[in-house]
Amino acid sequence: AQSVTQLGSHVSVSEGALVLLRCNYSSSVPPYLFWYVQYPNQGLQLLLKYTSAATLVKGINGFEAEFKKSETSFHLTKPSAHMSDAAEYFCAVSDTLDFGNEKLTFGTGTRLTIIP
Amino acid sequence: DTAVSQTPKYLVTQMGNDKSIKCEQNLGHDTMYWYKQDSKKFLKIMFSYNNKELIINETVPNRFSPKSPDKAHLNLHINSLELGDSAVYFCASSDISGGGGSYGYTFGSGTRLTVV
Repeated sequence: AQSVTQLGSHVSVSEGALVLLRCNYSSSVPPYLFWYVQYPNQGLQLLLKYTSAATLVKGINGFEAEFKKSETSFHLTKPSAHMSDAAEYFCAVSDTLDFGNEKLTFGTGTRLTIIP
Repeated sequence: DTAVSQTPKYLVTQMGNDKSIKCEQNLGHDTMYWYKQDSKKFLKIMFSYNNKELIINETVPNRFSPKSPDKAHLNLHINSLELGDSAVYFCASSDISGGGGSYGYTFGSGTRLTVV
């Protein structure tokens, strides 16, 4: 069974500071990993994904994440936080890309607050 | 054009009623899903359909019945609504286009169901 653990349900950083949101996964097979962002009262938007290509993945809005198999981690980073980054962030794992069976298992989310 | 659209966006109804949520995607994807997000923001898959065929049916009460008239539509009908059904329901679609990196998973903006 696959699972995701997001460390820290709330993270606060100052505007301009480094953003680091932590995600560790458990999967019995090579995983596919995703980060999604959810702004208030909105749906989920894909930030980036790892699907067994390059281990350092660049996404939208200046975010990136690095897949580290030895640490079973897929932490999300951004060098300089903007006020507009305030949102809920979800890490997710899928252990298969079979048609229709590629369900995403989500972490419990991390709420990012940006301090002016 | 909205890629994955859900209606209604908000739904307030009394216990015991029957209600439906509709979802349509114009991305040409073969697979569609329903996810439930509870009050603690936890997201969990409910169903998936691939080309109108039910693939994933997680442990969801049989009061919930998905219906896919064609691969662009996946509706969710809920009978005898209970207070615990209050949540945000997200529709999503995905496409496995072959070759690493082309995996796509798009969410709708959600339907906030409140049972009173």
